[in-house]
Amino acid sequence: GAVVSQHPSWVICKSGTSVKIECRSLDFQATTMFWYRQFPKQSLMLMATSNEGSKATYEQGVEKDKFLINHASLTLSTLTVTSAHPEDSSFYICSASRGDTDTQYFGPGTRLTVL
Amino acid sequence: RKEVEQDPGPFNVPEGATVAFNCTYSNSASQSFFWYRQDCRKEPKLLMSVYSSGNEDGRFTAQLNRASQYISLLIRDSKLSDSATYLCVSSGTSYGKLTFGQGTILTVHP
Repeated sequence: GAVVSQHPSWVICKSGTSVKIECRSLDFQATTMFWYRQFPKQSLMLMATSNEGSKATYEQGVEKDKFLINHASLTLSTLTVTSAHPEDSSFYICSASRGDTDTQYFGPGTRLTVL
Repeated sequence: RKEVEQDPGPFNVPEGATVAFNCTYSNSASQSFFWYRQDCRKEPKLLMSVYSSGNEDGRFTAQLNRASQYISLLIRDSKLSDSATYLCVSSGTSYGKLTFGQGTILTVHP
């Protein structure tokens, strides 16, 4: 149990386009989902926390208008990178929590390359 | 100062060796601690939680020292498959928020 999927697993896009990444909890209801970003040879950095049906809470330095997060249901959260630029190229990982513990279940990640 | 600090390594050890990683955290209000393992270009996977009383899972032993704000991971009888990056993680005062250390790279060679 506790499987989280992400789609797509990788994406290459042109500068200026928007990219949507989906995160799904497949066999449980996720009250909270988290979005992380990991640059090469660096650790995961939390971007935002989203709770179903409410606005996401963004970490300091993360632009909410650039990284749009929607958590429309208890099994789906989406991250849209708007007007992507090469510096947005990174490994984006989501995780989901049931809410009864602080255990987070991680998705397999999405590798974004912006040309 | 980073909230969770680790020696990035790399640690290169032969099969069968015992290796220890240390980690310090700065937020004394942090509630829970974990070790995660991350393979190259993959998501992190939970290795074990860390408790003050210490806990062991097979060849892995984790220890938490709240007074010194220090966490350790000991791996005995290293296997080739243990090669990965080991991430020290704290769960702070905001429910569910995890703070990751930079990670320690371990390479186990034949």
